[in-house]
Amino acid sequence: GQQVMQIPQYQHVQEGEDFTTYCNSSTTLSNIQWYKQRPGGHPVFLIQLVKSGEVKKQKRLTFQFGEAKKNSSLHITATQTTDVGTYFCAGPSGGSNYKLTFGKGTLLTVNP
Amino acid sequence: DAGVIQSPRHEVTEMGQEVTLRCKPISGHNSLFWYRQTMMRGLELLIYFNNNVPIDDSGMPEDRFSAKMPNASFSTLKIQPSEPRDSAVYFCASSRTASSGANVLTFGAGSRLTVL
Repeated sequence: GQQVMQIPQYQHVQEGEDFTTYCNSSTTLSNIQWYKQRPGGHPVFLIQLVKSGEVKKQKRLTFQFGEAKKNSSLHITATQTTDVGTYFCAGPSGGSNYKLTFGKGTLLTVNP
Repeated sequence: DAGVIQSPRHEVTEMGQEVTLRCKPISGHNSLFWYRQTMMRGLELLIYFNNNVPIDDSGMPEDRFSAKMPNASFSTLKIQPSEPRDSAVYFCASSRTASSGANVLTFGAGSRLTVL
């Protein structure tokens, strides 16, 4: 079945440093979503990318969808302690848009 | 909007006991999902309902797990009998299917289950 791989599994940075997490799918995706889960919290939707090569920004966060629609990245510029959490990518699987397969996530910790 | 409401937030039970988790989706959302999250396996989809009808239960681990959605505002996930390996955080999520066909999920706060 479809697999969504995320790297790295963990990332520890000093506040102010940049951070990037990468997501790779074994199959072409119709869209990809990103979620953030704070420690002890629940996943919260951040953004959805649909078009090949699409780039979207949310303040210090930049999301990119690959040209082949099989990979995506999330880049955070100048991390802050409020960025701490696990970032998940998710893509539809099984030929259906409702069935989201989540990556294992990247846990970001920020040293103040 | 109160969001997706789950109860209980925490449940500690002994092996063999029945566990019932509850979920109230966001009003107007026509899709409901139950996910399980563990360190080892991450977020796994257990079952998906659309307009109160179970569409895909292929992720339900075994017959000990069952889920119902008697109406648009309520769903339950039941484990009977529970086992220690069922210990996890169970999330309910709901969505309104977008025009693109993609589901954007709103998760509840989760129910943390510990089976001793």
